[in-house]
Amino acid sequence: QSVLTQPPSASGTPGQRVTISCSGGSTNIGDNTVNWYQQLPGTAPKLLIYSNNQRPSGVPDRFSGSKSGTSASLAISGLLFEDEGDYYCAAWDVSVRGPVFGGGTKLAVL
Amino acid sequence: QITLKESGPTLVKPTQTLTLTCTFSGFSLKARGEGVGWIRQPPGKALEWLALFYWDFDKRYSPSLRNRLSIAKDTSKNQVVLTMTDMDTVDTATYYCARRGTGGNFDYWGQGTLVTVSS
Repeated sequence: QSVLTQPPSASGTPGQRVTISCSGGSTNIGDNTVNWYQQLPGTAPKLLIYSNNQRPSGVPDRFSGSKSGTSASLAISGLLFEDEGDYYCAAWDVSVRGPVFGGGTKLAVL
Repeated sequence: QITLKESGPTLVKPTQTLTLTCTFSGFSLKARGEGVGWIRQPPGKALEWLALFYWDFDKRYSPSLRNRLSIAKDTSKNQVVLTMTDMDTVDTATYYCARRGTGGNFDYWGQGTLVTVSS
């Protein structure tokens, strides 16, 4: 059971906008920034969003993040087939004294 | 260019000790806030953080696995070693090492190494 809660799946058609939610608590999201990782099939995770809403160099602006209270969201606009994969949220947890991850959301582009 | 690569056995028997090495380049693990972490992913399941080694030699462990884990840096090499004792079939997973950047996120990841626990 992951500390952060994500929906197990999400889907959309090419060009659509989808959002993925991430729910936590006061010791993690409520007290720290949220990062999002993208894991395409058969590959290692890749940092997609950091500090709630910042994109590393090379990440398209189709990807955006937000945080409010103890929840966060990842939005993907202009959906592409190549966006299919798993998306994980993560945040530092003061009680764990380390990072905690969400259970992951499998995104299907139909 | 920052790279990390995991190495170690692909198969271990139950009750054995697993030793994995993360060899990194492109950073020195000396910048304040920098670290190297280990994260694992059982087949078809979510990511799970295991341990972190910090630039100042501080170490952090997942509370649920603390008693079985040990993390250390080879002082003469750019390597961070993870040891996990008393391996069980449920520990079968892909094990990743990743750099914890000064911003607190895992900004670079290794390719991962699949470790299977089976007799």
